[in-house]
This record gives sequence, structure tokens and C-alpha cells, in this order.
Amino acid sequence: QQPVQSPQAVILREGEDAVINCSSSKALYSVHWYRQKHGEAPVFLMILLKGGEQKGHEKISASFNEKKQQSSLYLTASQLSYSGTYFCGTESDTGRRALTFGSGTRLQVQP
Amino acid sequence: DADVTQTPRNRITKTGKRIMLECSQTKGHDRMYWYRQDPGLGLRLIYYSFDVKDINKGEISDGYSVSRQAQAKFSLSLESAIPNQTALYFCATSDSTGGPGQETQYFGPGTRLLVL
Repeated sequence: QQPVQSPQAVILREGEDAVINCSSSKALYSVHWYRQKHGEAPVFLMILLKGGEQKGHEKISASFNEKKQQSSLYLTASQLSYSGTYFCGTESDTGRRALTFGSGTRLQVQP
Repeated sequence: DADVTQTPRNRITKTGKRIMLECSQTKGHDRMYWYRQDPGLGLRLIYYSFDVKDINKGEISDGYSVSRQAQAKFSLSLESAIPNQTALYFCATSDSTGGPGQETQYFGPGTRLLVL
């Protein structure tokens, strides 16, 4: 079952912050975040494991709330290079096999 | 040279034709995946292979078949192509040896397929 991402799209000005959410109805073992720029392949950002951890990567960080089966991706002081579509991929905690990706959040950062 | 390559990069075919999309990797990863991407639907898993002898259906395997010829090669076939298989297809690889939760997926550049 596909995780639900919100919002579907967001437009920011440079320097503004954004939060992208990813929710699942299943118990999760891990959440993966990827970014895809137009016409390119998705590129890995980070993985979060169950246990409610947080991770950071430059000005992009994420959290995983195990109780809610929800992960949030935080983009602070956005730059033009952050534009693209962000996907979460979830790995179920039972019968762990392959990732199931959300439908994506399109982020556009304007000057 | 790219670590994950896909051929062809673009393909136009007609309804009913059999076509094969190929994926090769030099990363030495044991796991390989095929996804299709349609606007607004994200990445949907077609098939995945955890090693040469372990091949599994994904969420949308109907109308597709795969072959894992070697650890480095994973091919996707459309036995009889239909227009709604028009999409962008991605191959990806990952390495299971790093332990739980460490499996970053590395994507190929994609194959854009148009079925007329």
C-alpha cells in the first residue's frame, strides 16, 4: 500500500522553509527519502529507521515518528537547487522486502 | 562511466510488439529493481531481484517479465506492448551487505518508452 505524501506541491521563495510529510497505514521498519530533478533519476537523500530517529544532511533533515508511522522531511533556508520532486519510500516492518514509494511532492523554489 | 546503465534510453514501439529493456551495473550490488514512473503516480515497483535466483513480483507486474542473467544484469520484457505501458522506466540497485536500513538505492538514467 502506497504511503501518502503531503503536500502534493509547494512553491517557495529562496530562504523559506518547507516540510514534506509521508504517512503509512502499515508498521514501518524504515523510511527512505529521494529527490528527483526534472528529466533525471531519483537521488538518495537519507534513510531513517524505526525507533524515532532524526537525521540531518546539510540544511535538509528528517524525522521518523514510529507511533504515527509518519516521517517528515524538513528543508530550511531553501535554495534554488532544492527544486525537484521529493519521494518517500517505505519498508514494512513485517515481511520486509522492497520499498513502496509515495506519489511525490513537487517543490519549486523561486528567486 | 555510469554505475547503473540502461539501454535503450528512448524507445518507440507498436502495440503487440515484444520489447526488452536492459539494465547493467558495475557497483557489485546484489539487489536490482525495475520501476515505472507515470506523472502523478510516483515510482511503482514492477519486479525485484534479491540475487540471481531470487526474483519477485512487485505491485504492477502484469504484462511484464524479467530475467536476471547475472548479478550485474537485469532485463525487463514487455511480452506484448500496449499503449498504457507508455512510461518512464527506471532500474535501480542496492547492496544488502551493509546491514538493515542501509540499503540506498541507486537509479539508472531511465528508459522513456512510447507504445503506439
